[in-house]
Amino acid sequence: LAKTTQPISMDSYEGQEVNITCSHNNIATNDYITWYQQFPSQGPRFIIQGYKTKVTNEVASLFIPADRKSSTLSLPRVSLSDTAVYYCLVGERYSSASKIIFGSGTRLSIRP
Amino acid sequence: NAGVTQTPKFQVLKTGQSMTLQCAQDMNHEYMSWYRQDPGMGLRLIHYSVGAGITDQGEVPNGYNVSRSTTEDFPLRLLSAAPSQTSVYFCASRSPGGRLGEETQYFGPGTRLLVL
Repeated sequence: LAKTTQPISMDSYEGQEVNITCSHNNIATNDYITWYQQFPSQGPRFIIQGYKTKVTNEVASLFIPADRKSSTLSLPRVSLSDTAVYYCLVGERYSSASKIIFGSGTRLSIRP
Repeated sequence: NAGVTQTPKFQVLKTGQSMTLQCAQDMNHEYMSWYRQDPGMGLRLIHYSVGAGITDQGEVPNGYNVSRSTTEDFPLRLLSAAPSQTSVYFCASRSPGGRLGEETQYFGPGTRLLVL
């Protein structure tokens, strides 16, 4: 299983762009990279998933370099409601039974 | 479509008591899992199942049992509760997807367990 490393915490201000980088040096060829968001007292919620290059949806962008040993979640113009814990996961595709392991995540605090 | 549901929402147990945390999903997902989350910490995988009749251990399986008799239900049993099992328990089911952006987990609202 590929282990991920993220910053423990980050602070930013409303309206700023926030980039959270995740390191996954031993990512396997078949692994997707998935990011989840968790608000206090709630279960994690899927944000975005990628394999290589860049993926963008209505919530965030995910940048993955060619070697795929890291990935960066980009949140444009954050608001107070983006205060949450963000988890980066790598794992095998569904075609193989696999354990889906969460790391410690990055605690993002947005200030007015 | 209720997604993933968990009962109870909150439970207090005494040391040594047993109980079952219920989890159900109505999305016909084969893959289901249980995590625990201690205060200020990340999620740790307890057990998971890739389909009815098939279960496997996660990172922290000791003190917990699971079974999967149907696709919909995946109960978690605490055999003899200990204070160290005080935590929030999340159940999740995984979309088979098959395509990028679709292989994701859906989480229930959690069960808060306090063991005295």
